[in-house]
Amino acid sequence: AQTVTQSQPEMSVQEAETVTLSCTYDTSESDYYLFWYKQPPSRQMILVIRQEAYKQQNATENRFSVNFQKAAKSFSLKISDSQLGDAAMYFCAYRSAADQGAQKLVFGQGTRLTINP
Amino acid sequence: DAGVIQSPRHEVTEMGQEVTLRCKPISGHDYLFWYRQTMMRGLELLIYFNNNVPIDDSGMPEDRFSAKMPNASFSTLKIQPSEPRDSAVYFCASSFGGLIQPQHFGDGTRLSIL
Repeated sequence: AQTVTQSQPEMSVQEAETVTLSCTYDTSESDYYLFWYKQPPSRQMILVIRQEAYKQQNATENRFSVNFQKAAKSFSLKISDSQLGDAAMYFCAYRSAADQGAQKLVFGQGTRLTINP
Repeated sequence: DAGVIQSPRHEVTEMGQEVTLRCKPISGHDYLFWYRQTMMRGLELLIYFNNNVPIDDSGMPEDRFSAKMPNASFSTLKIQPSEPRDSAVYFCASSFGGLIQPQHFGDGTRLSIL
C-alpha cells in the first residue's frame, strides 16, 4: 500500500518570504498523481497544485510550485512571497494511476503553516 | 457554480443515537467520496461511489457505519449507534472521472458524540 509522509508537523515563515514544505511517498508504481491541498481554519479542503508523475516538468501555480523528484519519491511545495492568507494546514496526497483504486487519495498527516507578519 | 454541499455543518448528539450526514455532489460529477478526519489518524477514505454504486468500502470502520447514494445528486453517511470515538470531521468530495481530475471537497461536518 502507498504511504505519504510529511515530516514537518509545523512550519513558520515571515510574510513575503519563501517556505518549502516537504513530502515523501512510498510506492512501487511508476504512474501516479500527486497533489497538495490547503485546509484553512474554515476547514474547507482546497486544491493548491497537482503533478503527473510522467511529467518531468515541475508544476507551478502563481506563487506555488513543486519540486518533484521521482527517483527520490519526493514532492515538496514551495510558496513564494508568503501572504497571511497562506496560513493553513497543507496536505500532500497521492493517487494511483492504475485502474484499481485509481480514485483513492492517500493523504499525509499535514503540515501546519504559520505566517508571521 | 455550487460546490459540494454538506449538511449539517455541526452535529452534537449523545452516544447511542443515530447520526445521518448528508452530501450533495457537484452536478455532473460521477465519483463521490466520504472521508473522516481526526487528529490521531488524519484524513481517511471511508467509502467511494462511482455512478451511484459503491466501489470500495474497505475504509468503513465497522458495521455501525453505512453509506448510500440513491441518486446522482445525494448521498448519506449513517452511524448507528454512535459512539464517542466517532467524533471527527467528516468530508464529502466529488470528482469527474479522469485520473488527473481533482476531488472537490465540501466544508465538512464536525460531529461530536457525547
